[in-house]
Amino acid sequence: ETGVTQTPRHLVMGMTNKKSLKCEQHLGHNAMYWYKQSAKKPLELMFVYNFKEQTENNSVPSRFSPECPNSSHLFLHLHTLQPEDSALYLCASSQDLADTEAFFGQGTRLTVV
Amino acid sequence: EDQVTQSPEALRLQEGESSSLNCSYTVSGLRGLFWYRQDPGKGPEFLFTLYSAGEEKEKERLKATLTKKESFLHITAPKPEDSATYLCALPMIYNQGGKLIFGQGTELSVKP
Repeated sequence: ETGVTQTPRHLVMGMTNKKSLKCEQHLGHNAMYWYKQSAKKPLELMFVYNFKEQTENNSVPSRFSPECPNSSHLFLHLHTLQPEDSALYLCASSQDLADTEAFFGQGTRLTVV
Repeated sequence: EDQVTQSPEALRLQEGESSSLNCSYTVSGLRGLFWYRQDPGKGPEFLFTLYSAGEEKEKERLKATLTKKESFLHITAPKPEDSATYLCALPMIYNQGGKLIFGQGTELSVKP
């Protein structure tokens, strides 16, 4: 079983749909992250959680809503998305906040139609 | 402003042709530098952590080095399976928080 697991791997949704991305880490880490990766662009940090508390919201539109019920699980709730939100969404975790290496899941490829 | 810049954007090599990838950075107080490998459509895979200037790490055909201003990822006698995008990242720590800042990556293609 991989350290960081994301589901689903692929998601196609309409602009009026509501869906959620799930991330689970089995590494005993305290910090979890959501990143967005669009074609030919650097990884963009979206949210950071440390011990279940949100410590960073990188000016992300409110149509993206994170939830961290415990240190092992992270969700990204999606509603009324736009086609430009289509991207690879990556979850990561690290032992501590950012000064230790982060480990990534395989990502969710999201397509908004 | 803290910044991470990678070069070149893309690199095409023949199998066995050694080369280097560059990661330049400006940061107030280096707390480490990470190298990742990313295959298309997959999450980045952790390769190395470097913490101080002069430090070197090796893994198979890859060697990462660090100076006060930049890091190099040296690839010796690459094989087609080394084709991927290589990313470097720096941790930024601030009051009550922190995050990883990534460079834009170098897309490496190794032809047989």
